[in-house]
Amino acid sequence: AQSVSQHNHHVILSEAASLELGCNYSYGGTVNLFWYVQYPGQHLQLLLKYFSGDPLVKGIKGFEAEFIKSKFSFNLRKPSVQWSDTAEYFCAVTGTGGFKTIFGAGTRLFVKA
Amino acid sequence: SQTIHQWPATLVQPVGSPLSLECTVEGTSNPNLYWYRQAAGRGLQLLFYSVGIGQISSEVPQNLSASRPQDRQFILSSKKLLLSDSGFYLCAQLDSLHNSPLHFGNGTRLTVT
Repeated sequence: AQSVSQHNHHVILSEAASLELGCNYSYGGTVNLFWYVQYPGQHLQLLLKYFSGDPLVKGIKGFEAEFIKSKFSFNLRKPSVQWSDTAEYFCAVTGTGGFKTIFGAGTRLFVKA
Repeated sequence: SQTIHQWPATLVQPVGSPLSLECTVEGTSNPNLYWYRQAAGRGLQLLFYSVGIGQISSEVPQNLSASRPQDRQFILSSKKLLLSDSGFYLCAQLDSLHNSPLHFGNGTRLTVT
């Protein structure tokens, strides 16, 4: 069965610390990968996506993610977090040409000013 | 650009009452449409998806049903609500012609009392 696993449910960092959120998926076949973010009181929005090509993708607000096919992983990184990055982050997977997007349980990030 | 209208924003209903949540999309034709439920610590759970009028796929057997009477309309229903139906319901749309991320509506917060 398709699944997405996010390793950390809660992460607390100080400003300027580096961030890495883990995401592993189980999906037979070629996939499209996404990270979504939900800021407090706001709706979900796309942070970055991978469809094909360079496995290192860059998104908005300085975020990037690396697709490692052999590890079925798509970890999210940011070199230096800001207080405004406090949000919940969701990793998601869709089979290419498929209809279903499966989400991980989410990681709540709190950045201390 | 695509726009997703979802209403109401909040809803309080007694146990045993019926439910109808409506979602309409603009700016696209023949979209794939989705109902997700978001619960704390569980991420987004896919409930139903539809690839066309009258075509509904159910992901999780439960007290809910969905219908798609028109190309851009997706309705989530229940004949008798349970306490466990409380949650945050999100409608989402995917452009079926291109690889693209999901676009989400603003959601409906349902509280069953």
